[in-house]
Amino acid sequence: GNSVTQMEGPVTLSEEAFLTINCTYTATGYPSLFWYVQYPGEGLQLLLKATKADDKGSNKGFEATYRKETTSFHLEKGSVQVSDSAVYFCALTIHRIQGAQKLVFGQGTRLTINP
Amino acid sequence: DAGITQSPRYKITETGRQVTLMCHQTWSHSYMFWYRQDLGHGLRLIYYSAAADITDKGEVPDGYVVSRSKTENFPLTLESATRSQTSVYFCATVGRDEKLFFGSGTQLSVL
Repeated sequence: GNSVTQMEGPVTLSEEAFLTINCTYTATGYPSLFWYVQYPGEGLQLLLKATKADDKGSNKGFEATYRKETTSFHLEKGSVQVSDSAVYFCALTIHRIQGAQKLVFGQGTRLTINP
Repeated sequence: DAGITQSPRYKITETGRQVTLMCHQTWSHSYMFWYRQDLGHGLRLIYYSAAADITDKGEVPDGYVVSRSKTENFPLTLESATRSQTSVYFCATVGRDEKLFFGSGTQLSVL
């Protein structure tokens, strides 16, 4: 089956620290990979995506590279800010001929950045 | 305003009662989804719909009913609420380029 595994949270860092949130997946097809972010009291928002192997998604200083050989899509940021405090979800979707595109989410990683 | 809206924002109900959570989108996107969010489980898909009058079960459909008589609305009904259905519920649509748009969520407490 298709699944996503994220590193256990919560993660607490100081401002300007380097961030890595690990994400690995299992998939029967050729998935697209996503990172979504959820700020307190809000719904999820797309942060970045990658649709094929070796693609790099980037947004707001965050990056993630689609690694087919290690089935990974780790999220990184070189210097985090307090405003990055949120819950981060890794997700995948499998393309199907019928066009059905259902996302499978990881369990989420809560990130807290201290000033 | 364009977008996806959910109502109510908060709901408290009792075991055994019927509850309906509303979801409305203004884009006319074909696909709509209902997720529940629980600690330790992330988001789990309850039901989804590919178009009006077309719905299908997701990962955790038991105890829930959906309908989609119009493209823009996708209500979720708990026919007889149980405590295990206490959760935060998110409705979503998928636009072009596979991007999911989420509503702000409904926090449901079943006492």
